[in-house]
Amino acid sequence: QVQLVQSGAEVKKPGSSVQVSCKASGGTFGTYSISWVRQAPGQGLEWVGRIIPTLGVVNYAQKFQGRVTITADRSASTAYMDLSSLRSEDTALYYCARDDNAMGTTDSWGQGTLVTVSS
Amino acid sequence: DIVLTQTPLSSPVTLGQPASISCRSSQSLVHGDGNTYLSWLQQRPGQPPRLLIYKISNRFSGVPDRFSGSGAGTDFTLKISRVEAEDVGIYYCMQATQFPPLFGQGTKLEIK
Repeated sequence: QVQLVQSGAEVKKPGSSVQVSCKASGGTFGTYSISWVRQAPGQGLEWVGRIIPTLGVVNYAQKFQGRVTITADRSASTAYMDLSSLRSEDTALYYCARDDNAMGTTDSWGQGTLVTVSS
Repeated sequence: DIVLTQTPLSSPVTLGQPASISCRSSQSLVHGDGNTYLSWLQQRPGQPPRLLIYKISNRFSGVPDRFSGSGAGTDFTLKISRVEAEDVGIYYCMQATQFPPLFGQGTKLEIK
């Protein structure tokens, strides 16, 4: 089973940018898509976007269009999520997750990365 | 856009008793390929979500058989036949039939 390990917690100023990484082990990276999901404190799950590394295809939720960029480095088996123009409402746990097309859902999740936006 | 509505939002259950969570979609979740991409995830306190059920009723690897999923079209249900202490957490339904993938608002399962 694929295991996903994310980068550590970040504290950022409003208006700045953050990058969160997600390194995969097990399985063949790139043959599946990686989604990013966030969870604000005490709130539910919100889908941010995904990448299919082998195809270079990226999809974003409309809410984040223009502020989020998802990329992948196949040689490093790592996906990245960049979020810019940060505001306090972006304070959340950001998860990466592996998508299984056959099951039509996410079957492995990273441990989460806490991004705190505060002046 | 699709809206997923879970009920109840909170479910106090006695250990050993059954529990049931409903997920209702504002639109049919039947995909053009004939599959219904409705899954259930469990999030224990302080943990990332964990897949329990996919395509309505298929248990993921390692998931105890006390968990079951059912439903069709727009109405879906997750049932726990006998609640155990480790089942405490928040349960989410998720649809991936239409873009973008969407989660229900979550149902908090707690022990009475």
